[in-house]
Amino acid sequence: EAQVTQNPRYLITVTGKKLTVTCSQNMNHEYMSWYRQDPGLGLRQIYYSMNVEVTDKGDVPEGYKVSRKEKRNFPLILESPSPNQTSLYFCASSFQGARNIQYFGAGTRLSVL
Amino acid sequence: GNSVTQMEGPVTLSEEAFLTINCTYTATGYPSLFWYVQYPGEGLQLLLKATKADDKGSNKGFEATYRKETTSFHLEKGSVQVSDSAVYFCALTGSGAGGTSYGKLTFGQGTILTVHP
Repeated sequence: EAQVTQNPRYLITVTGKKLTVTCSQNMNHEYMSWYRQDPGLGLRQIYYSMNVEVTDKGDVPEGYKVSRKEKRNFPLILESPSPNQTSLYFCASSFQGARNIQYFGAGTRLSVL
Repeated sequence: GNSVTQMEGPVTLSEEAFLTINCTYTATGYPSLFWYVQYPGEGLQLLLKATKADDKGSNKGFEATYRKETTSFHLEKGSVQVSDSAVYFCALTGSGAGGTSYGKLTFGQGTILTVHP
C-alpha cells in the first residue's frame, strides 16, 4: 500500500530536549516536505527536499533541521524545542513537479512544555 | 507571493443540504488549484484538483471550477452527508519549477464542516 508514515503520532516533551520526528514514504517520490498546522493559519511549509541531499527552507524554518540521506526518509529535527513549536506536523511527498499530487502522513501532534 | 483565502467557518449543515465553501487566491502565472480534506484524526487527502482555467475538478459528489477571471475555486456539493464532516483546505502550487514555488502547496486556513443527521 502506498503511504507516508510518520512517527511518533503523539509526543509530549520539555523545552530544550532534542527530538526527531521520522517520515518515510514507499512511493519512490523525489519531493518531500514538512508542514506545520496551527489553528487559523492552515498549513505552513517548514522545509522541503527535491531529492537526496537537496533540501531548502520553506516559510517557517526557524528552530528546525532536516536531512535527506535516503530517498525514502526525511526526518524533522528539533535541536532545542520551545513551546511555540507546539503544533501538528505533517510530512508529505510527491513526484517531481509543482502540479503533482502530494500524499500526506497521518500527522504528529507535538506538545512542548 | 502566493496566498489563499477561504471563507470563515465553522459551517454547520443538515444532511442533504447544499454546500458551498468559498476560496479565492492570489498567484502569479498559472497555478494549479486543489481541495484537500482532513477527516478527524487523519492526514490530508486530495479531494479534487484543476490545473488550468475553466477546468472542473470533481470527486465524491464535490465539484470546483477554476475561475481565472475571478481568481476563485469554490467547492460545492449538492447534498452533503454526515460522513462529509471534516476540515476542507483550498490550496495552490506555483506554475513554474525552481525556487520555493516548486511543489510547495500554499494553503488557506481551512474550513470546518459539520453535518448533522
